Amino acid sequence: GAVVSQHPSRVICKSGTSVKIECRSLDFQATTMFWYRQFPKQSLMLMATSNEGSKATYEQGVEKDKFLINHASLTLSTLTVTSAHPEDSSFYICSARVRASGSYEQYFGPGTRLTVT
Amino acid sequence: GQNIDQPTEMTATEGAIVQINCTYQTSGFNGLFWYQQHAGEAPTFLSYNVLDGLEEKGRFSSFLSRSKGYSYLLLKELQMKDSASYLCAVFKGGSYIPTFGRGTSLIVHP
Repeated sequence: GAVVSQHPSRVICKSGTSVKIECRSLDFQATTMFWYRQFPKQSLMLMATSNEGSKATYEQGVEKDKFLINHASLTLSTLTVTSAHPEDSSFYICSARVRASGSYEQYFGPGTRLTVT
Repeated sequence: GQNIDQPTEMTATEGAIVQINCTYQTSGFNGLFWYQQHAGEAPTFLSYNVLDGLEEKGRFSSFLSRSKGYSYLLLKELQMKDSASYLCAVFKGGSYIPTFGRGTSLIVHP
């Protein structure tokens, strides 16, 4: 199956700093990537849909100026959490969509555990 | 929008069979997924259903009834490693953007 990598896997940062998370599709090109966040024992909440070469589409309630998404190439999307605060501490997961057998499959990266102190 | 409902938690015995149900309401339907997620890890793909009926893959099977807005994931010959959260997801409102349910935490005990 398709492989999606994410870096870093864990990051601890101080309140007020910015953190960049990278998501790469390793053996395929992904025109669309998704960014999710997940709080403990909660499901994945879609933050934004990232399309290569265009602006990301954010879900309602997600601040686009705080969560900057860039999808500059078919294999790389980045999420930058700007001016991070402790409430931004969460598990951030990216996924890439692949067209297969007349529909779409999604493959997830391993996730990034962000802790803001 | 859509609502996706699945039980919060289930327990079962090693070697047994368990069925995890998922009901959904959506303005458009393009398919339903099941994912497995172990604690602290990303979800892994289990199945995809777009037509009514049962899809079997080894110990795991997934069923869909579009008219009832209902799916289930059937796990046979349960193993301890099957203890995980199982997420039901549907494509959002006629698009190909998946929206996830809260997940069902399955605990398999000896």
